Amino acid sequence: GNSVTQMEGPVTLSEEAFLTINCTYTATGYPSLFWYVQYPGEGLQLLLKATKADDKGSNKGFEATYRKETTSFHLEKGSVQVSDSAVYFCALSDRGGNNRLAFGKGNQVVVIP
Amino acid sequence: NAGVTQTPKFQVLKTGQSMTLQCAQDMNHEYMSWYRQDPGMGLRLIHYSVGAGITDQGEVPNGYNVSRSTTEDFPLRLLSAAPSQTSVYFCASSYGTSGKNEQFFGPGTRLTVL
Repeated sequence: GNSVTQMEGPVTLSEEAFLTINCTYTATGYPSLFWYVQYPGEGLQLLLKATKADDKGSNKGFEATYRKETTSFHLEKGSVQVSDSAVYFCALSDRGGNNRLAFGKGNQVVVIP
Repeated sequence: NAGVTQTPKFQVLKTGQSMTLQCAQDMNHEYMSWYRQDPGMGLRLIHYSVGAGITDQGEVPNGYNVSRSTTEDFPLRLLSAAPSQTSVYFCASSYGTSGKNEQFFGPGTRLTVL
């Protein structure tokens, strides 16, 4: 079945540092890939997406490229801010007509001033 | 638009009690779903619906029922609550069923079963 693996553990970094969160997936066919962000006490909201191989999703300075050859969708941001502190989830969508999302376990990101 | 709304925000139940978590969306989305979020587990799909009158099981359906009598509403019923159902529950909706579209999430219901 479909599955998503995110790097283990929280990520703590200083303001203006470079952020990378690794995400790899296992899926049949050609899934769509997503990064969702969850701020404290809130629901999830879409950060960016890519729907086919080599697509790059971008939003609010974050980027991720759909790499079919390495089955990866790593999230990057060049200079993080304190306001980027949140939990980040990688997810893939079954395109078999039912929209089912499979999520990674999430990564807590803490940005220190 | 209110987007996806969920009630209640918080709920405490005793083992064996039943209750319904409410979810509504005003975006005319065909697809609606319920997830539970547990520490270190990410989100897991409980049930989903691709349109009014159509529901199906997700990854962790045991102990939960759903129905979809209208496009707008997708309630989740706990038949006999157990401590293992202590979790944060999220409802989500999206346009179409192609799998390419963003899912919109509600604010969540935090449920504690004693």
